[in-house]
Order: sequence, then C-alpha cells, then structure tokens
Amino acid sequence: GAVVSQHPSRVICKSGTSVKIECRSLDFQATTMFWYRQFPKKSLMLMATSNEGSKATYEQGVEKDKFLINHASLTLSTLTVTSAHPEDSSFYICSASAGTSESEQYFGPGTRLTVT
Amino acid sequence: GQNIDQPTEMTATEGAIVQINCTYQTSGFNGLFWYQQHAGEAPTFLSYNVLDGLEEKGRFSSFLSRSKGYSYLLLKELQMKDSASYLCAPLDSNYQLIWGAGTKLIIKP
Repeated sequence: GAVVSQHPSRVICKSGTSVKIECRSLDFQATTMFWYRQFPKKSLMLMATSNEGSKATYEQGVEKDKFLINHASLTLSTLTVTSAHPEDSSFYICSASAGTSESEQYFGPGTRLTVT
Repeated sequence: GQNIDQPTEMTATEGAIVQINCTYQTSGFNGLFWYQQHAGEAPTFLSYNVLDGLEEKGRFSSFLSRSKGYSYLLLKELQMKDSASYLCAPLDSNYQLIWGAGTKLIIKP
C-alpha cells in the first residue's frame, strides 16, 4: 500500500522559533497533499491543500504567513510553523493523494509539536 | 452548514459485534470514508462508499444510504486492538473531507 512519512515525529521548540515538518510520499507520486492539525479529542482540522508546483490553498482562519507550505515535488511537502507560540502546540498530520479528487488520502504518522 | 453526527463513545465486548452510526449533512456529496485512529496516531483508511448499500471487507463492513444521509460501520468478532476512534468523513461537492470528532470505541474482555 501507499506509504507517507513525516519527520520529525516529535519536536519541542521554544516560543518564537520556527519549526519545519516534512511530509513525503514514499512509493507514489502525490498530486495533492493536505495538512491537518488535531487537538486532543477533537476532529481533524484541515489547514491547507497543496498541489505540486503551485501555491497552497489555505482554509479560512489559517494564517498563511504563519504556516508556510511548500510542495516542491510530487513526493515532498513541507509545513513551517513560523514564530511558534504555545498555542501552536498540536498534532500535525499530513496526507497525500494521487490521481482523482475522490482518491483515498494516505495519512502520515503525524508530528507532535510542543512549544514551550 | 456541514455537520457530522456520531456517538461520542461506545463500549463493546471482545468477540461481539458493534455498529457505529453516522449521519451527515454536507454541501454536495461525493462519497464517504471511514477511518480508524488509535490514540496519538494518524488515521488509517478503512472503507469508502459512494453508492448505496453494504461494502464488506473482512471483519469490517460499511453501509451507505445517500437519501437518508446515513452510514454505519459494522465491526465483527471484535478484538482488543479494535479499541480506537472511528471517524466518519464524507466528501463534499469540492471533494473536501468533512471531519467529525469520531466515535471512541472501548473493547472490554
């Protein structure tokens, strides 16, 4: 089956610093990648959708200057949390999809971000 | 608006059968996914329904009624490892997944 990796799996950073999270599709080309965040016992919240080589489409309420998304190739997307604050602490999950819009999304294992 | 309604929590016994119901309201509809999510982990795909009826896959089956905005996930021969949250996620007219908070399933010996 399709495999998506995320790195790092856990990261602790100080307030005011930036953190980059990588999402890679290991055995398929992902035309679309999605970035979610999830708070404990809450549903996944879509942050943005990105297609290779074009700018990401951000959901309402998500600051594009704070959450920088780059989808440079068909196998790699990165999310950079800039000037992190404690309220940015969350579980960040990426998913990747190949082919048509209704294709299954394959999820990465997630990244637990803690901002101190 | 868009809305997903699932029970917050269910409890079942190892070896038994459990049905997790989901009702949804979306702007357009392009199918419905069920995902399993263990605590602290990302969701994993279980099933996808786009036509009415029952889709069976091993111990798991998923049912869809588009006219009623209703789906259920049926788990048979429950095992302890099935303890997880189960997420019902329809695709709206923009092919965007709409997520609810999921149903936490607790399996007891």
